[in-house]
Amino acid sequence: DQQVKQNSPSLSVQEGRISILNCDYTNSMFDYFLWYKKYPAEGPTFLISISSIKDKNEDGRFTVFLNKTAKHLSLHIVPSQPGDSAVYFCAASPTDSWGKLQFGAGTQVVVTP
Amino acid sequence: ETGVTQSPTHLIKTRGQQVTLRCSSQSGHNTVSWYQQALGQGPQFIFQYYREEENGRGNFPPRFSGLQFPNYSSELNVNALELDDSALYLCASSFVGEISGNTIYFGEGSWLTVV
Repeated sequence: DQQVKQNSPSLSVQEGRISILNCDYTNSMFDYFLWYKKYPAEGPTFLISISSIKDKNEDGRFTVFLNKTAKHLSLHIVPSQPGDSAVYFCAASPTDSWGKLQFGAGTQVVVTP
Repeated sequence: ETGVTQSPTHLIKTRGQQVTLRCSSQSGHNTVSWYQQALGQGPQFIFQYYREEENGRGNFPPRFSGLQFPNYSSELNVNALELDDSALYLCASSFVGEISGNTIYFGEGSWLTVV
């Protein structure tokens, strides 16, 4: 069963605009969430994370929002840059099973000039 | 640079053979997890090693096994390879302790092709 879902397989955005990536989860035991970026032939690169005790976390151009009631999180990238073109994965972990991540299927982001 | 290194980067094996993949974790990390990523999918959790013992396993058969060494490096072994085992195998390291870390770092992965 897919406990973490990224329902948009792809997203195209113009350079300089905002990219919004969405992720939904079903397991209420998840309390830590991470976003990774992945280029072809490379391993996932950690971007930003958020604990369930927060509803927002920012790091530079990246902001993650968490809505525990809706079991939904989103990643905002502002402004989008050509180097942001990659596959983005949402991942979740219960604290008592730290490191055992459940991943979504990913969203391919293409930033156009 | 995540400090997590994996070897080999690419390999080709024949169905029925056995393969060993290796991972060195980031300095200060004591936990290693392995993931399988098939084309077009997200990584799937295989198992985790903590203090040299398996500490949780995903939905993978027993022919997937592992080891963790005193220096926290790890191996993933797959016996009786099947064509569907062709995938990118990712190693991730993290710290688990009284105050667990909040970041999990991945290596570059090992591409396995089974023919």
